[in-house]
Amino acid sequence: QVQLQESGPGLVKPSETLSLICTVSGGSISSYYWNWIRQPAGKGLEWIGRIYSSGSTKYNPSLKSRVTMSVDTSNNQFSLKLRSVTAADTAVYYCASPVNTTGSYGMDVWGQGTTVTVSS
Amino acid sequence: SSELTQDPAVSVALGQTVRITCQGDSLKNYYASWYQQKPGQAPILVFYHQNNRPSGIPDRFSGSSSGNTASLTITGAQAEDEADYYCNSRDNSADHLVFGGGTKLTVL
Repeated sequence: QVQLQESGPGLVKPSETLSLICTVSGGSISSYYWNWIRQPAGKGLEWIGRIYSSGSTKYNPSLKSRVTMSVDTSNNQFSLKLRSVTAADTAVYYCASPVNTTGSYGMDVWGQGTTVTVSS
Repeated sequence: SSELTQDPAVSVALGQTVRITCQGDSLKNYYASWYQQKPGQAPILVFYHQNNRPSGIPDRFSGSSSGNTASLTITGAQAEDEADYYCNSRDNSADHLVFGGGTKLTVL
């Protein structure tokens, strides 16, 4: 079964770039599309964007100017870069995918999440 | 509109039925998906599309939709159902995803 694992620095300085990787195991990254979602402490879920194995992307309009996603099919990974971070970007970041929900936007496979704190 | 609106909190007596709702213009055109999230854990998909429940999700979870409102119904709520519930769908225009603000369910 497909599993996802986020990785990356837990602490990022203000104005710098947050970089995270999601590693896909148990399946091919070419078979699905891949989302990033974040959740500030005590708050709701926010969709950041998604990327297809082709490299095509869709981003949340509120973050679009600062977000870049990419895919590395050779390593079965996809990544998130968020530029010019502020404290408001402090959150748990999840990668997720609709692996078994063909034709739906429902995401049934999630990583465990990784906490990123923006602080000097 | 790209917003999905949920009641912040709902409570239900143990064993009773509760409906959690999600409102938004895009729901007239697209189905909602529903997620359960317990403290410190990643969300779990509990219902999606027109009438789909992921493997392993109890059949007391069901979904429905009418007009601009999607609903998740828990029939015979259990103590372990106490959690935050989020809906999500796509917006009407640009194929972006949106989440509702979440509903905290308390089982009394």
